[in-house]
Amino acid sequence: AQSVAQPEDQVNVAEGNPLTVKCTYSVSGNPYLFWYVQYPNRGLQFLLKYITGDNLVKGSYGFEAEFNKSQTSFHLKKPSALVSDSALYFCAVRDWSDKIIFGKGTRLHILP
Amino acid sequence: NAGVTQTPKFQVLKTGQSMTLQCAQDMNHEYMSWYRQDPGMGLRLIHYSVGAGITDQGEVPNGYNVSRSTTEDFPLRLLSAAPSQTSVYFCASSSGTLRYYSGNTIYFGEGSWLTVV
Repeated sequence: AQSVAQPEDQVNVAEGNPLTVKCTYSVSGNPYLFWYVQYPNRGLQFLLKYITGDNLVKGSYGFEAEFNKSQTSFHLKKPSALVSDSALYFCAVRDWSDKIIFGKGTRLHILP
Repeated sequence: NAGVTQTPKFQVLKTGQSMTLQCAQDMNHEYMSWYRQDPGMGLRLIHYSVGAGITDQGEVPNGYNVSRSTTEDFPLRLLSAAPSQTSVYFCASSSGTLRYYSGNTIYFGEGSWLTVV
């Protein structure tokens, strides 16, 4: 069965600094990988996805993610953090079984 | 576009009561699913469906029933509510299934806050 791990419950970054939110996965076959963001009392919003092709994927709001097959990782990155990036971030994986499994989420705090 | 619509947004139930959380999407998506979100647990898959008439269990299916009689609707039923089912529930949908293309974006509803007392 597929699984997703987000090893950090919370990440604190100063505004203007680069940020990384970590995600590792386990899946049979080729993975379809996603990042979503959740603001308070709202549903999840799509940020970006990896299906195939370039290992560096660019998404919404200046976010990007790097797919690393050998390390089974899909870390979310942004070169310069904004206070408005503070939110809960979820990594997800979908495989041949059509199940979409989410990680436990990482709370990102951007400090002014 | 309405997208994914969930009702009700808030509900308080007594232990043992039954209720149905409604989910509808207007994007003609084949794939629909229900998740629950609990503090420290992230999102956990309850049930999912890859098309009308087809449903399957997710990670935490016990205590919940689903059906998919139409492409648009995917209701989640709690037959006998328990305090452990107090949670925020999210419905999600996506176009494409394994047979075609599984990499499509998942769209979420705004959530249903359920409290069982």
